[in-house]
Amino acid sequence: GNSVTQMEGPVTLSEEAFLTINCTYTATGYPSLFWYVQYPGEGLQLLLKATKADDKGSNKGFEATYRKETTSFHLEKGSVQVSDSAVYFCALTKDSGNTGKLIFGQGTTLQVKP
Amino acid sequence: NAGVMQNPRHLVRRRGQEARLRCSPMKGHSHVYWYRQLPEEGLKFMVYLQKENIIDESGMPKERFSAEFPKEGPSILRIQQVVRGDSAAYFCASSPGWGVAEAFFGQGTRLTVV
Repeated sequence: GNSVTQMEGPVTLSEEAFLTINCTYTATGYPSLFWYVQYPGEGLQLLLKATKADDKGSNKGFEATYRKETTSFHLEKGSVQVSDSAVYFCALTKDSGNTGKLIFGQGTTLQVKP
Repeated sequence: NAGVMQNPRHLVRRRGQEARLRCSPMKGHSHVYWYRQLPEEGLKFMVYLQKENIIDESGMPKERFSAEFPKEGPSILRIQQVVRGDSAAYFCASSPGWGVAEAFFGQGTRLTVV
């Protein structure tokens, strides 16, 4: 079945460092891919998405490219801030086209130190 | 336009009691999804509902759990005879329709069974 695997955390970085959080997936069909962010005590917010191979999603300085050949959707940011500290979840659509039914990775905690 | 509203934010129940979790979708959204997040894990899909209909309950435990989304009022996730293993964060998401747009998440209800 479909699944998502993320790199284990926590990831600890200094402010202005480069960030990569790895995400790989297995899926049948053509899922859409997402990155969600969860700040402490809050719900999930959509960070970015990509709906087909080679699409690049971007938002707030974060980017991820839908790589079908490597089944990956790695999250990157060139210069992290303390305010980026949160848990990041990679996800894909469980059923093609239904953006509400999602399969999530286990989450990666990012801690950014000043 | 208020976001997805869940209440209560925190709920404490003794073993054997019933837990009722409520979710009011965003205005104009007719699709609701419930997810469970166990400690240190990602979110797991439980059930997908439209008004007065359960569309997909493939992620719901077979016993003690039920969900509804009546014509009027919020969606309810009901857990009967709670056990310690039910302690988790329960998130609701809503979307306007199939594949139309992203799903928006509520802030979650954190259930603690003592």
